[in-house]
Amino acid sequence: VQLVESGGGLVQPGGSLRLSCAASGLTVSTNYVAWVRQAPGKGLEWVSVIKTDGRTFYGDSVKGRFNISRDNSKNTVYLQMNSLRVDDTALYYCARRGGNAFDIWGQGTMVTVSS
Amino acid sequence: QSALTQPASVSGSPGQSITISCTGTSSDITVYDFVSWYQQHPGDAPKLIIYDVNKRPSGISNRFSGSKSGNTASLTISGLQAEDEADYYCNSYSGSSSLYVFGTGTRLTVL
Repeated sequence: VQLVESGGGLVQPGGSLRLSCAASGLTVSTNYVAWVRQAPGKGLEWVSVIKTDGRTFYGDSVKGRFNISRDNSKNTVYLQMNSLRVDDTALYYCARRGGNAFDIWGQGTMVTVSS
Repeated sequence: QSALTQPASVSGSPGQSITISCTGTSSDITVYDFVSWYQQHPGDAPKLIIYDVNKRPSGISNRFSGSKSGNTASLTISGLQAEDEADYYCNSYSGSSSLYVFGTGTRLTVL
């Protein structure tokens, strides 16, 4: 079972980026899949989750700017990030919400927002 | 939704026991038994070590245990080992606008 993130990089403030989380050994449509970020030297912050019924939820700091979605045919979850700010700079992890915990984590993809 | 409150650092000697607290509110820890704990070594992704307040995933040492009382959850590590030196984070389901709230994180130093 594995989650592999990609799509990170350097982007200017106000720009957009789309992150991908490719799953193997688990089916994204039958699992809750979340994004969790960690700013350099800081703690973990929950960003977003997509539930099995397709409902999506967001943390207060990204609501209205980020959008989570999934492509069942590619077994991949995406995080579209718009209107990026400097304080969005972080390592973004994809994680499965199994039961009542984040039990499977990817290795993360780094997003740097800077001019 | 503010982060759950953890002590910034704790320390202990090999063989000793330590406890890390995680204080929440009436919207999270107090009303839900969905507290989990994560261990993170430098450069690694977080690893689940406790879920549902006091359950251990397969493969996690029984030296790790969890509990909850009121608005505070706790992680206890007994028989400290050098490999336990890491950052630890709690997490709770929340009935507020942010569904899942993490703690501020605690750095454990094994002396």
